[in-house]
Amino acid sequence: ETGVTQSPTHLIKTRGQQVTLRCSSQSGHNTVSWYQQALGQGPQFIFQYYREEENGRGNFPPRFSGLQFPNYSSELNVNALELDDSALYLCASSSGTSFQQYFGPGTRLTVT
Amino acid sequence: GQNIDQPTEMTATEGAIVQINCTYQTSGFNGLFWYQQHAGEAPTFLSYNVLDGLEEKGRFSSFLSRSKGYSYLLLKELQMKDSASYLCAVRGGSNDYKLSFGAGTTVTVRA
Repeated sequence: ETGVTQSPTHLIKTRGQQVTLRCSSQSGHNTVSWYQQALGQGPQFIFQYYREEENGRGNFPPRFSGLQFPNYSSELNVNALELDDSALYLCASSSGTSFQQYFGPGTRLTVT
Repeated sequence: GQNIDQPTEMTATEGAIVQINCTYQTSGFNGLFWYQQHAGEAPTFLSYNVLDGLEEKGRFSSFLSRSKGYSYLLLKELQMKDSASYLCAVRGGSNDYKLSFGAGTTVTVRA
């Protein structure tokens, strides 16, 4: 059974640029949640996708958008990057709305 | 809104016991989770409480009191590898699938 994977591991972007982060969910999982974790803080919920539809969104501006594909993998897109977007971006997958979410290793984004 | 509080740091000696407290004020409640996160790594699931009481799993136990909005994670027989951040997270109402996390408690285990 393959766990949750994310790519890339690290990324450096310039303010104003756009970025796409990718997540492959664990086998058999159809729900993906994205979180932003700033240094020294707990993860903050961005949004969740269930069967290719957005199923809840946190307090993030519209320049944070996402997709889920038929194979349940997912993308997080961030437009017009700001310095404060520098963080670890975590993807978590689960089966339906099961209580247990399995986290991927994260993508460390640095915006300069 | 969600407000989840836990201490920032705790230090303990190898072989000892440490209790990490978490208090929460949320608009709904559908379970409380504890995760362990080593530096630079993903959070890993430790425990889940939805009913009042103590859940024990090996060296780790978690307690919940819904009326008090309170939980604790108890780590027994501390080992050096337990040095990590411990995250308390709450799931809101039945239609709210997101997890709201506290800022995490960094536990340092000393020899």
